[in-house]
Amino acid sequence: GESVGLHLPTLSVQEGDNSIINCAYSNSASDYFIWYKQESGKGPQFIIDIRSNMDKRQGQRVTVLLNKTVKHLSLQIAATQPGDSAVYFCAENKAGTALIFGKGTTLSVSS
Amino acid sequence: DGGITQSPKYLFRKEGQNVTLSCEQNLNHDAMYWYRQDPGQGLRLIYYSQIVNDFQKGDIAEGYSVSREKKESFPLTVTSAQKNPTAFYLCASSASGYEQYFGPGTRLTVT
Repeated sequence: GESVGLHLPTLSVQEGDNSIINCAYSNSASDYFIWYKQESGKGPQFIIDIRSNMDKRQGQRVTVLLNKTVKHLSLQIAATQPGDSAVYFCAENKAGTALIFGKGTTLSVSS
Repeated sequence: DGGITQSPKYLFRKEGQNVTLSCEQNLNHDAMYWYRQDPGQGLRLIYYSQIVNDFQKGDIAEGYSVSREKKESFPLTVTSAQKNPTAFYLCASSASGYEQYFGPGTRLTVT
């Protein structure tokens, strides 16, 4: 079936390093992708999104890359901080009506 | 102060009882969504509504019901037919059907 998954369930980095979180999607018809950050016990928080007509989009300390050829999405966080520790989810749009979420990657940042 | 509110934050019920979770938004968004999240898992779509007085089943609608009588409100009822109701429930809204904004969640425990 259609699904969005993440390559690694956990990622541990040192403070100041750059982090890269990967995501593979299966529906080549998806036209919108989004990354969320979820802290323990809270609702997901929007980080950045990208449409299928783009390959790259940058925000504050974050960059999302989209490779439609291999159906791969990545989130890069520059100069990772302890406050970045959370679970990160990618999601793809399902026919413009609802998002399909992956299982998430837990990012742990040590100082 | 705009946003999505969910109440209560924690909810406890006995098995066999129906329970209604509240979700209110003052963002003037047309679309609203309900997701369920189990420990260590991604979000799964229960129901969504793109307009008042209309809603569609998501991937795991069995044992749940919703109503959309007002644009601002999208309550979710967890019925006694839901086999495993204990979970973290998240409500979201969207203006475009793409980017979704989430509420803080309600953690339901059924014993």
